[in-house]
Amino acid sequence: GQNIDQPTEMTATEGAIVQINCTYQTSGFNGLFWYQQHAGEAPTFLSYNVLDGLEEKGRFSSFLSRSKGYSYLLLKELQMKDSASYLCAVMDSNYQLIWGAGTKLIIKP
Amino acid sequence: TAGITQAPTSQILAAGRSMTLRCTQDMRHNAMYWYRQDLGLGLRLIHYSNTAGTTGKGEVPDGYSVSRANTDDFPLTLASAVPSQTSVYFCASSDSWTGEADTQYFGPGTRLTVL
Repeated sequence: GQNIDQPTEMTATEGAIVQINCTYQTSGFNGLFWYQQHAGEAPTFLSYNVLDGLEEKGRFSSFLSRSKGYSYLLLKELQMKDSASYLCAVMDSNYQLIWGAGTKLIIKP
Repeated sequence: TAGITQAPTSQILAAGRSMTLRCTQDMRHNAMYWYRQDLGLGLRLIHYSNTAGTTGKGEVPDGYSVSRANTDDFPLTLASAVPSQTSVYFCASSDSWTGEADTQYFGPGTRLTVL
């Protein structure tokens, strides 16, 4: 079966750095997405990786290792507004997104 | 631009009743999707449409139907609601469905409670 694993919840301090991991086992791979979802709101796109390596977008970076079935989202200089759930999703061989359950990130002052 | 709109925002429905959740996008995206999101589970695909006039089944299609008569609209119908269909329903769209261009953009969601 297809599976996406991410930690259920993480806690970090304002101003610090946090890394959210995602491991996957899917039938085929056509890219990995990270989305942010604030409570009661819709998911919003953060990043897309299809090749191995690091993609940087401001305070957010995403890393992919296809051979290890592994990705992480790195958030720097954490702000209170970064408190949200972070969703990892993999596009399989049928070009359908398989979603992880999400990681709830709690930021403390 | 409005992006994707969904209606209603929330609804309480008696079991056995039918209901249509509406979704409209103004981005001229080719592909549209319906997901449900339940606590502790990832988003699960119900139905999708890669282009107007075509639809396909996702991971959890039973009890739901869709139509795609034009590019902009993608309604989801529950023919006879059951309590297990209590969930938050998200509609999404993407420009294409075969690569980065298929980044999906989500509507605000419909919170449905079936009693």
